[in-house]
Amino acid sequence: NAGVTQTPKFRILKIGQSMTLQCTQDMNHNYMYWYRQDPGMGLKLIYYSVGAGITDKGEVPNGYNVSRSTTEDFPLRLELAAPSQTSVYFCASGTSGNHNEQFFGPGTRLTVL
Amino acid sequence: AQSVTQLDSQVPVFEEAPVELRCNYSSSVSVYLFWYVQYPNQGLQLLLKYLSGSTLVKGINGFEAEFNKSQTSFHLRKPSVHISDTAEYFCAVYSVSGAQKLVFGQGTRLTINP
Repeated sequence: NAGVTQTPKFRILKIGQSMTLQCTQDMNHNYMYWYRQDPGMGLKLIYYSVGAGITDKGEVPNGYNVSRSTTEDFPLRLELAAPSQTSVYFCASGTSGNHNEQFFGPGTRLTVL
Repeated sequence: AQSVTQLDSQVPVFEEAPVELRCNYSSSVSVYLFWYVQYPNQGLQLLLKYLSGSTLVKGINGFEAEFNKSQTSFHLRKPSVHISDTAEYFCAVYSVSGAQKLVFGQGTRLTINP
């Protein structure tokens, strides 16, 4: 199993550009999550999904959108990039049957200039 | 709503010394507790977890943590650290009857000096 994979690893965007961060898991987990990590701030939940077709906002959803058309994929969309979205983004997956233990991808480092 | 506080943002220790990373949580319902480790430029990986039963839980790489319900704490310990333990450590809480998500602390950066 590859686990949770994320692409790209790094990206630089200009203000106002859009992009999609890709996340795929091959563990057949029903739950998937997007976090952002800023220095000294821990991880903040952006969006999460408890199954295909179901998504919900986390703590910091503004400026982002998600979709969950399949169990495996959970892309995160930035429509109008802003400098405040400069961060490291982590995707994670888990199952309700495993006490919400989450498995993390390697992260995407995004810089908005 | 639950919250997690990691009491130290940075902890420097010498190699082979013991270490304790402190974590306190607040929740009005039963919780599961986790410690994750993040090595430089990597994602997070699970170190250990408390679900129920014995309050002393053992994890990978010689780490252990003790759940103290009365003090709402879940401190992480290792009796003798190694250079390779240099990383950021995150405490997280999951409410058993709450929303299906983890709440993370701010992280503690552990630096091991030779």
